[in-house]
Amino acid sequence: DAKTTQPNSMESNEEEPVHLPCNHSTISGTDYIHWYRQLPSQGPEYVIHGLTSNVNNRMASLAIAEDRKSSTLILHRATLRDAAVYYCILRGGSQGNLIFGKGTKLSVKP
Amino acid sequence: DTEVTQTPKHLVMGMTNKKSLKCEQHMGHRAMYWYKQKAKKPPELMFVYSYEKLSINESVPSRFSPECPNSSLLNLHLHALQPEDSALYLCASSQAWGRAAGVYEQYFGPGTRLTVT
Repeated sequence: DAKTTQPNSMESNEEEPVHLPCNHSTISGTDYIHWYRQLPSQGPEYVIHGLTSNVNNRMASLAIAEDRKSSTLILHRATLRDAAVYYCILRGGSQGNLIFGKGTKLSVKP
Repeated sequence: DTEVTQTPKHLVMGMTNKKSLKCEQHMGHRAMYWYKQKAKKPPELMFVYSYEKLSINESVPSRFSPECPNSSLLNLHLHALQPEDSALYLCASSQAWGRAAGVYEQYFGPGTRLTVT
């Protein structure tokens, strides 16, 4: 399974945008970039995913580099409820298993 | 409805007990998964079922026995567990597994917090 690299932790202020980076230099052409988050004491929650083009949904935006070796999850206005561990995961290959790395722990300050 | 339900929410069992964890989804998903998550660690994949057949067993000890009675239900039978098996057990589902899986999101249940005494 292809690997991703994320910062261990990030801090943000409430109501400000947050850009969470992810590097995936060994991504293959068929790997989708998935983002999930896990709030304290809850199961992981799907956030967004994409292949090549930038994607938007009600939760976030996903910006994918032209060479696909990196991506950025954008939360447009952070709230206290966005404090969570955010996981960037490549999903593809012959099995498509969702394999979690360490993720980025996002703290949001009021 | 994108809900995956898991019961029980909490479970305490002795090392000689037999218990089962249950998971259910009604999204018509044909792939279901069990993950194990220790405190402050990411979830680790245990089993994958695709079209009710076991497709992946990530070298999980035999004291964990999965079962998929139908396309909506997934069970995890527990027997003779050890204290180090205490963890959060997560169930998930997605539309499909395999080569086409990347295009599909995966939905997780809230987990069962298991304590083995």
